[in-house]
Amino acid sequence: EVQLVQSGAEVKKPGESLKISCKGSGYSFSNYWIGWVRQMPGKGLEWMGLIYPGDSDTRYSPSFQGQVTMTADKSVSTAYLQWSSLKASDTAIYYCAKRSGTTTYFDPWGQGTLVTVSS
Amino acid sequence: QSALTQPRSVSGSPGQSVTISCTGTSSDVGGYNYVSWYQHHPGKAPKLVIYDVSKRPSGVPDRFSGSKSGNTASLTISGLQAEDEADYYCCSYGSTYVFGTGTKVTVL
Repeated sequence: EVQLVQSGAEVKKPGESLKISCKGSGYSFSNYWIGWVRQMPGKGLEWMGLIYPGDSDTRYSPSFQGQVTMTADKSVSTAYLQWSSLKASDTAIYYCAKRSGTTTYFDPWGQGTLVTVSS
Repeated sequence: QSALTQPRSVSGSPGQSVTISCTGTSSDVGGYNYVSWYQHHPGKAPKLVIYDVSKRPSGVPDRFSGSKSGNTASLTISGLQAEDEADYYCCSYGSTYVFGTGTKVTVL
């Protein structure tokens, strides 16, 4: 079974750093793009960007370029999303999702990681 | 890139059909046959229900169907069931990805 399992909920203070993870199993992790999607409280889904674990090629949405960093470690089949200095406005649920190989949809998705940033 | 436009909510009784529209531009929805739809029950992982405008993944009931005309894609749920109550998002790939604003489907 193809599966993405994300790390648990985090509570952080403004200015702190954070790295959340997304571990893939049941498929060749290196060969499929992983996307990241944000859902702020009460809002819709926003595409943040993609990373290709095979060579760590990344594509960021202009809205998130410079705000987050996407990395991947193919040796442990895990993608990461990190912040160097969190803001209250980063409070959201973050989802990772596997992009299809032949076309452009996302399936499956991880269960989501809730990040709360509050002083 | 602006979010694709969806109605905020639609509703129907069990057994009825509902259709959700997703309006973009010629740079996204209208320019490519890469529209996908996701069902999202709050607190759960989003689930793919339609891809490439009208294709249905295995395991998704044939009550779900998709189509496109010009810059507007549509998702139709026929024979509405209680478990279909959820948020639905369209997504289009152009030079980048963009999601729709989301539609809450309520089963009356």
